Amino acid sequence: DTAVSQTPKYLVTQMGNDKSIKCEQNLGHDTMYWYKQDSKKFLKIMFSYNNKELIINETVPNRFSPKSPDKAHLNLHINSLELGDSAVYFCASSKRPNTGELFFGEGSRLTVL
Amino acid sequence: GESVGLHLPTLSVQEGDNSIINCAYSNSASDYFIWYKQESGKGPQFIIDIRSNMDKRQGQRVTVLLNKTVKHLSLQIAATQPGDSAVYFCAESNNDMRFGAGTRLTVKP
Repeated sequence: DTAVSQTPKYLVTQMGNDKSIKCEQNLGHDTMYWYKQDSKKFLKIMFSYNNKELIINETVPNRFSPKSPDKAHLNLHINSLELGDSAVYFCASSKRPNTGELFFGEGSRLTVL
Repeated sequence: GESVGLHLPTLSVQEGDNSIINCAYSNSASDYFIWYKQESGKGPQFIIDIRSNMDKRQGQRVTVLLNKTVKHLSLQIAATQPGDSAVYFCAESNNDMRFGAGTRLTVKP
């Protein structure tokens, strides 16, 4: 069983569309994250949830809205997609916030045309 | 071979040589540091970690060194193998996990 799984793995869409990426972890962790990795491989944290509560909300456009229905799931919805949103989005989880190893999913490559 | 992380994002070494990947971190309050390895098409994977009350930690073929005075972290890989080819990230943790820019390691057979 994959520990942190995210879908879809690839997403190609037009500017202006709305899309979602889903993430699930079966590790029993309390904390989940979304990271964005650009074309230069730079990894930047976007959001973090602990037990369904938002604890980190970096400066990202309001078009990005995370949602955590339970502590095993963290989804990312993006409205009005722009060219600059093209990136690989990684979901991750950890036992608790601010400490310990992060377990990453395989990434979702978003391409906005 | 050595890299200086942010300033030299690629490192090429011969198979069997030792590799040293360097990282400068920014927050003197960070108390936990991790090295991650990211292979092509995959998410980052944990390699080794170190807490700020230590200056050295060893794993299997890997050693992490921490110099808090100059806010410097290094990852040493002994007897580098082709399977070690990947992008390596250092990460520092204070209120959240922040990643450095990454260094691409290429191992030549």
